[in-house]
Amino acid sequence: DIQMTQSPSSLSASIGDRVTITCRASQSISNYLNWYQQKPGKPPNLLIYAASNLQSGVPSRFRGSGSGTDFTLTINNLQPEDLATYFCQQSYGSPPYTFGRGTKLEIK
Amino acid sequence: QVQLVQSGAQLKEPGSSVRVSCEASGGTLNNYRITWMRQAPGQGLEWMGRIIPIPAIINYAQKFQGRVTITADKSTNTAYLEVRSLRSGDTAVYYCASESVPGTDNFDYWGQGTLVTVSS
Repeated sequence: DIQMTQSPSSLSASIGDRVTITCRASQSISNYLNWYQQKPGKPPNLLIYAASNLQSGVPSRFRGSGSGTDFTLTINNLQPEDLATYFCQQSYGSPPYTFGRGTKLEIK
Repeated sequence: QVQLVQSGAQLKEPGSSVRVSCEASGGTLNNYRITWMRQAPGQGLEWMGRIIPIPAIINYAQKFQGRVTITADKSTNTAYLEVRSLRSGDTAVYYCASESVPGTDNFDYWGQGTLVTVSS
């Protein structure tokens, strides 16, 4: 199975900050990388698909980049509603389509 | 747009089985690949398996092979996940999910989640 290593596991930032979360795959996955936001008690919400494509309805301050094994989720101009846990997920080749362990984002 | 509606929370004893349902409301199950995932308390997401109604392909993560069964009832637009020989480590929220563009395996439709607690 492809292992997804996500970092950091948690971070604290202030409103208006730029935040960066990284995800590394154990092998090349081309651009088959998706990002989700999960708020407490809710299912995950798709933010970015295919590494850099913004899901419909997601604010443009969210940006995804990367290919191969290294990927980044950037949140510009951090807002209070961005308090959540963020997960990466690979969807390359055959299943299982594994997830990173998550990054818990706290607002200072 | 389809809505995935899951069955309610369940408390199960170790060694027993649980079945969780996922109804595709406002859509036809034939049009959607249903994936099951779980999330243990405070943990990340774990991909368990999926069913592709046409042509009736089912894939399981190796970890769950032999202990988990995924089925679909097209007459009721409902997919099911059964987990047998439950142990405390199976305590988790179980989610069904699907993708609006079949084959992309990025999930923009999610059920609300079903908490399964395994305890004596």
